[in-house]
Amino acid sequence: GENVEQHPSTLSVQEGDSAVIKCTYSDSASNYFPWYKQELGKRPQLIIDIRSNVGEKKDQRIAVTLNKTAKHFSLHITETQPEDSAVYFCAASDTGRRALTFGSGTRLQVQP
Amino acid sequence: DAGITQSPRHKVTETGTPVTLRCHQTENHRYMYWYRQDPGHGLRLIHYSYGVKDTDKGEVSDGYSVSRSKTEDFLLTLESATSSQTSVYFCAISEGLSNTEAFFGQGTRLTVV
Repeated sequence: GENVEQHPSTLSVQEGDSAVIKCTYSDSASNYFPWYKQELGKRPQLIIDIRSNVGEKKDQRIAVTLNKTAKHFSLHITETQPEDSAVYFCAASDTGRRALTFGSGTRLQVQP
Repeated sequence: DAGITQSPRHKVTETGTPVTLRCHQTENHRYMYWYRQDPGHGLRLIHYSYGVKDTDKGEVSDGYSVSRSKTEDFLLTLESATSSQTSVYFCAISEGLSNTEAFFGQGTRLTVV
């Protein structure tokens, strides 16, 4: 089955700096790569996703890049703010699997 | 937020007792999932359902069973709770196949003592 590895497990940045979280996946058939944000005590919520026919996608301060050849994808957050502090999860799936496989999560802390 | 609720939100139970967690949705989504969340492990799939009475195992299904008799309800049962099943359990729903957004419930914190 699919295996998703996520790095780093914790990340601390100064407000205004950029943050990058990286994930690798094992199954070359995977074609959908979402990112979820989970604030303390809350449910995970989708913040951005990318499909395999696209190399990059942006939404304001967040962007995701995908390298299918290397089987890795990354989340980029620019101009970080304290409210970006949360745990971020990457995930991967293909149309035949019906369920997402998640990475182990990255705790991002933005220092004011 | 998608119409998905979990009950109970918190539960403490004793080792060896059966426990049932409920997930209820009002979105009429076909797919429903149960995940457990533990530090350092992210979200791991326990079981999922792709329709009424249609369920399948995930990567950590041992010790758990599920049932889905109606589109809106997906039940997770721990037949005989163990301390290793102490966790936060999340239900999720999605409209289509796995390459569409999954909406999560608020989570159930289960403690087995």
